[in-house]
Amino acid sequence: SQQGEEDPQALSIQEGENATMNCSYKTSINNLQWYRQNSGRGLVHLILIRSNEREKHSGRLRVTLDTSKKSSSLLITASRAADTASYFCAPSILAGGTSYGKLTFGQGTILTVHP
Amino acid sequence: EAQVTQNPRYLITVTGKKLTVTCSQNMNHEYMSWYRQDPGLGLRQIYYSMNVEVTDKGDVPEGYKVSRKEKRNFPLILESPSPNQTSLYFCASSPLGAGGTDTQYFGPGTRLTVL
Repeated sequence: SQQGEEDPQALSIQEGENATMNCSYKTSINNLQWYRQNSGRGLVHLILIRSNEREKHSGRLRVTLDTSKKSSSLLITASRAADTASYFCAPSILAGGTSYGKLTFGQGTILTVHP
Repeated sequence: EAQVTQNPRYLITVTGKKLTVTCSQNMNHEYMSWYRQDPGLGLRQIYYSMNVEVTDKGDVPEGYKVSRKEKRNFPLILESPSPNQTSLYFCASSPLGAGGTDTQYFGPGTRLTVL
């Protein structure tokens, strides 16, 4: 499968702790995106990192990308109960040399932050 | 407000009764896509469209049809629904950059039950 695979499948932490989620993929990408989903709701885009970038920050989010290892990580610092959600990585796969990238999703990491 | 809308949000139907789930976006995005989300299987792409009159199969297209007659609309058609199409469906849209798909904006989801 070419989809991103998140690890761990579930993560349970206390409020204030940091949460780290990892993503691995198998083919060349032009960018990798992270999304969040609250139960049964639509996915919300969190951050996009391009293949020529190694690290990106947005508020309490820090994303790294290692294209040589085909992996990415999402760090949420100083977590809050409101961060409880599922988190998905979505590699935008370069498809057959054309100029567009197919976005594929893994099964996600379920993050639970206890107050 | 920039958004992707889906209708209906909830639908219970019976096997074989044709139905259409509408999707509309007001962001002038070229790329639109349909996904289904099932427990343990993550999000899987059904069909996508790069632009008006351009559609292509995703990973799980069997039993579905789409059309893209206008840039803003991308309806999903189930000609003869079956119980295995019971799922949570999401429509998404994205601008197409030089490197491929960028941030995808998701609709709120349609929960479909086929009896």
